[in-house]
Amino acid sequence: QSALTQPPSASGSPGQSVTLSCTGTSSDVGAYIFVSWYQQHPGKAPKLVMYEVSKRPSGVPDRFSGSKSGNMASLTVSGLQAEDEADYYCSSYAGRNNWLFGGGTKLTVL
Amino acid sequence: QVQLVESGGGVVQPGRSLRLSCATFQFTFTHYAMHWVRQVPGKGLEWVAVISHDGHNQYYAESVKGRFTISRDDSRGTVFLQMNSLRPEDSALYYCARGGWKVVIADIDHWGQGTLVTVSS
Repeated sequence: QSALTQPPSASGSPGQSVTLSCTGTSSDVGAYIFVSWYQQHPGKAPKLVMYEVSKRPSGVPDRFSGSKSGNMASLTVSGLQAEDEADYYCSSYAGRNNWLFGGGTKLTVL
Repeated sequence: QVQLVESGGGVVQPGRSLRLSCATFQFTFTHYAMHWVRQVPGKGLEWVAVISHDGHNQYYAESVKGRFTISRDDSRGTVFLQMNSLRPEDSALYYCARGGWKVVIADIDHWGQGTLVTVSS
């Protein structure tokens, strides 16, 4: 199984909204609710910012929202702040006890 | 808060073995599935293995199947990754991560800081 597809980079100005995409197939993203997003700052461990497509963990600002349509999942960050600059990885359960990750998107706050 | 602390990484020659450990704190270890995920520095994440909360089931990525073994010691709240027949392409930062509550199929929610494995002659 191939990794999920994420654009390598995205950017936005403070206060703007940006949407990150994650494309899979009907065997992974399209088939399961277990799609999650992780934020990773340089030299740090990944941090969960969205799970089960659109659920926000406690402590994650409501500026973060998630959705899915068909084989593509999206993470939208509204009201961009400097601290949102990081790498973002999507993940999906892919069936047969296997998980996939995307290659990551580097989000730059201009 | 939930803490996961990996150890055991290092430099090892191709074909040799290494055992990683992950000590856990501040949650009921026996209720959760546990994963290992790796990341080549500067690159993306790759799922490696998962063990169910009761230790009865283990699943592996194709790239490590037959070479790596995940296990857990509930008395110590620790999960292990035994890595045999190591290859240069196994070089990565290995993260321990917490999975589902009493289920295997769920999203990963907490991660450790990782332990670095370098396979090189």
